[in-house]
Amino acid sequence: GAGVSQSPSNKVTEKGKDVELRCDPISGHTALYWYRQRLGQGLEFLIYFQGNSAPDKSGLPSDRFSAERTGESVSTLTIQRTQQEDSAVYLCASSPLDWDWQSYNEQFFGPGTRLTVL
Amino acid sequence: SQQGEEDPQALSIQEGENATMNCSYKTSINNLQWYRQNSGRGLVHLILIRSNEREKHSGRLRVTLDTSKKSSSLLITASRAADTASYFCATDASGAQKLVFGQGTRLTINP
Repeated sequence: GAGVSQSPSNKVTEKGKDVELRCDPISGHTALYWYRQRLGQGLEFLIYFQGNSAPDKSGLPSDRFSAERTGESVSTLTIQRTQQEDSAVYLCASSPLDWDWQSYNEQFFGPGTRLTVL
Repeated sequence: SQQGEEDPQALSIQEGENATMNCSYKTSINNLQWYRQNSGRGLVHLILIRSNEREKHSGRLRVTLDTSKKSSSLLITASRAADTASYFCATDASGAQKLVFGQGTRLTINP
């Protein structure tokens, strides 16, 4: 079946512009995550959606970052007034099960969006 | 801050040799996972080990977990050129609803 898809695959923008990144999770997956990965670094958690619960926004680095999710489907990550430090690969992942300490919670990743802010 | 820290940061070995990567973490966990990443793009799940398990095997992969030392190791036996990638450990801290990834180990297998 189809995996997690993200668009665009690459985005080049000028400093100060707004960008919107899209993630289509695997159908039926209730959990959706956004991560940021700077060059040569590990993954930095940004935000987590789980069903109809309030999202965990604890990883968003500033108020320029926001994300929305429509039900249990597509999610968009918006970065306003982009800065050069926002340049990174933005990865989306989805997971099929409710977060439960007894559950197997493998995450399925999309290919990422490489954002370059000039 | 990153909970999982991999060691070494980079590892280069000859094809056919075994590769061992280590991961340390700070808080109590429910489980620990290892992921592989090729070419800086999406990660692929390799193996999950629960906090009440000590060792797990999957093909050429062997994972160990020592909760007393808060550490895990990933062993890849009989390495192949195709194993060249970055490897990340990820932990879900008890009571937390997210995975925390380490900085990764860049593994290079030389033919």
